[in-house]
Amino acid sequence: EVQLVESGGGLVKPGGSLRLSCAASGFTFSSYSMNWVRQAPGKGLEWVSSISSSSSYIYYADSVKGRFTISRDNAKNSLYLQMNSLRAEDTAVYYCARARGILTGSPKKTPPYYFDYWGQGTLVTVSS
Amino acid sequence: EIVLTQSPATLSLSPGERATLSCRASQSVSSYLAWYQQKPGQAPRLLIYDASNRATGIPARFSGSGSGTDFTLTISSLEPEDFAVYYCQQRSNWPPKWTFGQGTKVEIK
Repeated sequence: EVQLVESGGGLVKPGGSLRLSCAASGFTFSSYSMNWVRQAPGKGLEWVSSISSSSSYIYYADSVKGRFTISRDNAKNSLYLQMNSLRAEDTAVYYCARARGILTGSPKKTPPYYFDYWGQGTLVTVSS
Repeated sequence: EIVLTQSPATLSLSPGERATLSCRASQSVSSYLAWYQQKPGQAPRLLIYDASNRATGIPARFSGSGSGTDFTLTISSLEPEDFAVYYCQQRSNWPPKWTFGQGTKVEIK
């Protein structure tokens, strides 16, 4: 059974930092691209970042580029999101999601890519 | 950037009725569109990918159709557990970005 368990959320002041983790099990983690998707309270879903299976390709939403860093450790079956310079608008539940599809580095290869398994999420609150 | 617009915002129906949800893209996304279901306090769940393929374990009452800019999610006969919020999602070609529609809430009438 595929399981994704996020941790590391909490209350942080504006300008602060937080590191989220996602522990994966039930599948061959090193074979899948992984993602972070967030949801502000009472709002819709917003894609945050994606990383390919070997970390060769990484992409960010414009809203977090330059502040957030996605990474993974395939030996530990873990995905991470380092969040710096946090703002009030970063307040959200952050979900780790496995990809159905392959992340490429070429505009000539853009296969379909979806989020097929999700963790239960971890809440990040940015407030003074 | 491709924008996905879902309609209606809220759908009020009774169990056993048919639900038809719409998702319109601001430009063609071919058949690369997915639908997700989210219940209160839960993570989203993938229902449909590539516009019409059911994900693993999804009941046959859920079906997707469409291509280009207009897509539909149909629930043939609503079960009590189907009352939830539904999102469509697509990816832009380059640079890769993934966007969701604003959601349609299916509520009990």
